[in-house]
Amino acid sequence: QLQLQESGPGLVKPSETLSLTCTVSGGSISSSSYYWGWIRQPPGKGLEWIGSIYYSGSTYYNPSLKSRVTISVDTSKNQFSLKLSSVTAADTAVYYCARLIWAAGTGLSWFDPWGQGTLVTVSS
Amino acid sequence: NFMLTQPHSVSESPGKTVTISCTRSSGSIASNYVQWYQQRPGSAPTTVIYEDNQRPSGVPDRFSGSIDSSSNSASLTISGLKTEDEADYYCQSYDSSNPVVFGGGTKLTVL
Repeated sequence: QLQLQESGPGLVKPSETLSLTCTVSGGSISSSSYYWGWIRQPPGKGLEWIGSIYYSGSTYYNPSLKSRVTISVDTSKNQFSLKLSSVTAADTAVYYCARLIWAAGTGLSWFDPWGQGTLVTVSS
Repeated sequence: NFMLTQPHSVSESPGKTVTISCTRSSGSIASNYVQWYQQRPGSAPTTVIYEDNQRPSGVPDRFSGSIDSSSNSASLTISGLKTEDEADYYCQSYDSSNPVVFGGGTKLTVL
């Protein structure tokens, strides 16, 4: 059964870079059938897609965050990572990683499964 | 780009049926599949409906999904409500310029 687990610092200072890693187990991140993505949820608010990556390294970012986001993949470790630069308090959120089943030709874009999420607080 | 609009909250009694709507602002709701996620407090979202009306294994058949082109909306219907259904529900879809769009979420209260 595929599982995803987020890891990284729970506290980041304003103006610094948030870095998280998602470790995939029970399946290969190099599968040609799937993408991998990051989603965040500020406390008490809704879900926001951050971006997604294919095992080859192709990336797709939310236009509202694109200037600050970098997503990368390490197939040898079965991991993918998120970097978000110049963070402010508005970036405080639970960050989730998830597998993205994306078939553009059929109009399907579906996150399943999700990691348990990790809370990142931006504060000095 | 398009938006998906959901009611902020809905409430219903145990045993009853509730429907949560998800309206697409532009473009046809039928042009891309809609997914629905359930998020219980303190937990990650899980899929209850994918591809408009398909249920993953393990999701009770009390959950059903549909789309209505006339209102350009998708709907999640939960019948025989149980207290365990109390959660936030999010719809999600896609278009060629944005791989992922989430609705704002609906808080379901079962009282």
